[in-house]
Parts: sequence; C-alpha cells; structure tokens
Amino acid sequence: DVKVTQSSRYLVKRTGEKVFLECVQDMDHENMFWYRQDPGLGLRLIYFSYDVKMKEKGDIPEGYSVSREKKERFSLILESASTNQTSMYLCASNRQGIYEQFFGPGTRLTVL
Amino acid sequence: GEDVEQSLFLSVREGDSSVINCTYTDSSSTYLYWYKQEPGAGLQLLTYIFSNMDMKQDQRLTVLLNKKDKHLSLRIADTQTGDSAIYFCAEFTGGGNKLTFGTGTQLKVEL
Repeated sequence: DVKVTQSSRYLVKRTGEKVFLECVQDMDHENMFWYRQDPGLGLRLIYFSYDVKMKEKGDIPEGYSVSREKKERFSLILESASTNQTSMYLCASNRQGIYEQFFGPGTRLTVL
Repeated sequence: GEDVEQSLFLSVREGDSSVINCTYTDSSSTYLYWYKQEPGAGLQLLTYIFSNMDMKQDQRLTVLLNKKDKHLSLRIADTQTGDSAIYFCAEFTGGGNKLTFGTGTQLKVEL
C-alpha cells in the first residue's frame, strides 16, 4: 500500500517562528503536493514538485517555500509564521501519468 | 479559470440515498474525482470518471456526469453512519498534474 506520512499531526507555533512541515512517501512517486484545507474553502494548492530540486507555485504560495532534496521527501517551510497560516496542511503524492493522488493524514498547525 | 463548487452540508437518515452535487467551470476537464475525508484523516479516493463517460457505478456509489451543464454528482445508496465524512469533488484538466478541489460537502448521517 502507498504510504504518505507527515511529521506531526498537531503543531503549535508562535507568530514569527520558522516552521517546517515534512512529508515522506514510500512509493517512489515523482510528484508531490502541499495543500492547505480551510472550512468552506476546500483544498488549495500551495506548492508542488515534479522531481528532486524542482518546484512549482500553486494557487496560494505567498508566505511559504518548499524543499525537495530527495525524491521521497517534500518539506513545506513557513519562514515567519503568521496567525492566518493556522490551518490543516495536507501532503499528497502521485506517479507521473497516474492521476490519483495519495494523501497523508494532515498536520493541524496553530499559530498563536 | 478553474472553479469547483459544492454545497457545504448534507444531512440524511440512515438507509436513505445521499446525493452530493458538484459544478465545475473548466470544460477541458479530462478526469473527475470523488474523495472522502473521514474525521482526523487525509483524503481517500472513492471513485473517478473519465470525461467521455456519463455514468459509473461501483457497489453503493453511482457517479453521474453531465458535461453540457458541467455537473457531477455522487449518489450513495443505503447510506450508513460510516459514510459520515467530508466529500470532495476534484477535476484534472491535464495541466501540470494538478487537481482542483471543490469546497467539500459535509455529509451527516442521522439514525
């Protein structure tokens, strides 16, 4: 079975802190994605990556950056966390050409 | 641009059928998906339909696609309490392997 894991289920940070959210997939998928989920807004794509060291902006990249140094790992970075980044963050991956995305369990981030 | 809309809430009685609706705006969508999110979990693919199909049935699930109206629906027959979840529709338009998700519909199944 495909497994996508995220480093934390719950995280509480203070305004201005640098925050790292990590995602690991074990199926050698080329593509990885970071979304945030907010009530009434659904899932919005922050960043995605087609390959190691490659990244593309999604619909809401402002305030975020990403890193993909290894194929299996995709990190989301909040350089200076703000309260409006309090949200559920979901990571997903898929194989190139296969359109089903596999999701991790999510990280609920609270910024105080 | 891409925009996918769903109603936010649906409440049904156990044993009834549930119908969750979705409208999309991008006529070049090639695949349309339904994902389920149980409380505290990530999203899990339920079913999908190719844009050249009108209907797809998979056990208790029936997906209907009306391309002319850009309308997608998911019918769950004999709805059970375990079906309580948030249901997301999503479209794939072929650009960059990206999916565009709807706002999600919270399905509540009452006894």
